[in-house]
Amino acid sequence: EAAVTQSPRNKVAVTGGKVTLSCNQTNNHNNMYWYRQDTGHGLRLIHYSYGAGSTEKGDIPDGYKASRPSQENFSLILELATPSQTSVYFCASGEKGAGNTLYFGEGSRLIVV
Amino acid sequence: GDQVKQSPSALSLQEGTNSALRCNFSIATTTVQWFLQNPRGSLMNLFYLVPGTKENGRLKSTFNSKESYSTLHIRDAQLEDSGTYFCAADNAGAKLTFGGGTRLTVRP
Repeated sequence: EAAVTQSPRNKVAVTGGKVTLSCNQTNNHNNMYWYRQDTGHGLRLIHYSYGAGSTEKGDIPDGYKASRPSQENFSLILELATPSQTSVYFCASGEKGAGNTLYFGEGSRLIVV
Repeated sequence: GDQVKQSPSALSLQEGTNSALRCNFSIATTTVQWFLQNPRGSLMNLFYLVPGTKENGRLKSTFNSKESYSTLHIRDAQLEDSGTYFCAADNAGAKLTFGGGTRLTVRP
C-alpha cells in the first residue's frame, strides 16, 4: 500500500511569514504533486514534479514555490504567507508506468492569520 | 474547474438504493481516475480508467472518450459510501485535473 506522509498536519501562520509544508513518500514514485482544496473549488494543482530536481507549475502556482531534493521528498514553500492561502493542502505521488494512479497524504490544514 | 464538470454537486440516497454520478470533460482526456474523500478528509483511489468499464464490488465506472464523459454507478448504497466523490482527467501528461466533486449522503 502506498504511503505518503505530510507534515505538519496543522499549522497557524502569520501574514508575511514563511511556511514550508513537507511531503515524504516511500513508494519510489517518480511523480509528486501538491494540491489545495477549498470549498467550491475541489482540488487545484499548485506544483508537481517528475522526479528529483524537477518542479513544474500547476494551475495555480502564484505565491508558492516547490522543491524536490530527492525521490522521496517534495516540499511546498510559501515565502510570504497571505490569508488567501488558508486552505487544506494535499500531497500525492504516482507512477506513470503504473497508470499514474495517485496516492494521497492525509492533508495539511493551514490557517494564515 | 469547468474543464472537468461533475454532476450532481450533492446527492442524498436511501440505504440500499442505486445511483450514478457523472463527469463531463471539456479538455482532452486519455484516462480518468475516481476518488472518494471520506468524512475525515482522506482521499482514496477507486478506479483508474482507460476507455471502457471497470467494476469493483458495488461500484462500476465507465469512461467514454468519444463523448468525453465518465460515470460512476453505485449499487445498493451503504452508509460507509458517504463522502465526496471526485473524478480527475489525465491528458497523457503527469498532470491531473479534478472536478468539483459530488457530495454523497447515504441515509439509513
